[in-house]
Amino acid sequence: EDQVTQSPEALRLQEGESSSLNCSYTVSGLRGLFWYRQDPGKGPEFLFTLYSAGEEKEKERLKATLTKKESFLHITAPKPEDSATYLCAVQRNYGQNFVFGPGTRLSVLP
Amino acid sequence: GAVVSQHPSRVICKSGTSVKIECRSLDFQATTMFWYRQFPKQSLMLMATSNEGSKATYEQGVEKDKFLINHASLTLSTLTVTSAHPEDSSFYICSARGAVVGGETQYFGPGTRLLVL
Repeated sequence: EDQVTQSPEALRLQEGESSSLNCSYTVSGLRGLFWYRQDPGKGPEFLFTLYSAGEEKEKERLKATLTKKESFLHITAPKPEDSATYLCAVQRNYGQNFVFGPGTRLSVLP
Repeated sequence: GAVVSQHPSRVICKSGTSVKIECRSLDFQATTMFWYRQFPKQSLMLMATSNEGSKATYEQGVEKDKFLINHASLTLSTLTVTSAHPEDSSFYICSARGAVVGGETQYFGPGTRLLVL
């Protein structure tokens, strides 16, 4: 059974304090791993798609990386507006549904 | 690009009434739409998947007669919660996947908060 776990469950950072969020997955063959950001009371906002081990994607202060077992979302010098829940999801094969992780709630304090 | 809207954003209804939620892909054609439910501080729970012109595929444990899904066009899907009860109160989110835009990426709507009194 495909499983996705995320750690930590919650993370509190000071503004400017860089850190990483982890998404670990067990899936028999990965077609894609997706990162989303969700603000309270809103739908998830798409951030990145990663397809193969070694791939990296960047957007502003965020960088996502992928290995054969996990993905990291690195946040460099975060700002309070980066506070949100970050979700990762995996897709096993083309056309199949996503399996979402439970998310990491990030709080960045000024 | 890849914008998905939902309407209404918030609805309060009495127990026993039915509520319809619309999900639209505004700038792309959505071959597949998904409906999720989310409880406070929990992750997304997939309820059903619908392809345009086909019957929806429901996840295990989701009552298809209670949660009616219609995907009548490539830009519109609706979720109707029939005979709603307080336990149906939740945050409902749709997502859409296009044949051309974004590949397999799902783009989410802003969600609908349902409160059943």
